[in-house]
Amino acid sequence: SYMLTQAPSVSVAPGQTARLTCGGNNIGGKSVHWYQQKPGQAPVLVVYDDSKRPSGIPERFSGSNSGNTATLTISRVEAGDEADYSCQVWQSDDDHHVVFGGGTKLTVL
Amino acid sequence: HLQESGPGLVRPSETLSLTCTVSGDSISNYYWSWVRQPPGKGLEWVAYVYYAGTTKYNPSLKRRVAISVDTFNHQVSLQMSSVTAADTAVYYCATYTSSSYFDNWGQGALVTV
Repeated sequence: SYMLTQAPSVSVAPGQTARLTCGGNNIGGKSVHWYQQKPGQAPVLVVYDDSKRPSGIPERFSGSNSGNTATLTISRVEAGDEADYSCQVWQSDDDHHVVFGGGTKLTVL
Repeated sequence: HLQESGPGLVRPSETLSLTCTVSGDSISNYYWSWVRQPPGKGLEWVAYVYYAGTTKYNPSLKRRVAISVDTFNHQVSLQMSSVTAADTAVYYCATYTSSSYFDNWGQGALVTV
């Protein structure tokens, strides 16, 4: 079955740029969506369709997708960005279903 | 607004039943989904249902899960049979768009087996 691979953790200093990756076989051919989840809260959509931002999401959040890697980039990282970030696709290669990555814990130093 | 409800504790081998009550929006013309998250782990999609009744299930859970929608009462229901400790999780109700992402989530309901 299709799998999405994310690094367990990424650390970045405030004001720097965080790049969180999501790996999958030919993921560039799929639409990738990203969710932010803070402790004790429900996930929040921060990027959809690879690079689009829902209303209310800062421009500091951007996405890209090519080949076997999709990337969520957070510019000028703030303390409030510390959270778990999960990628998600609709897998249609065999048995069609939703797939989530395991999530990356972003720590702001 | 989505609000999950159900028993917080279920015995092993029994059936888990959860309800999502939708308020402030029509239940029609949407896909409604359940996503779960075991403690300390990642998100796992469970199932979705279209308001007209079409369903889709996670292949790994398909045999034990049933999702349904009650448009009159603005509710989406989930039943999971033969539960084990591995089914312990926070269960989220969420709207699922035709573009294949989840754009609105409930606060979640913790179910312990």
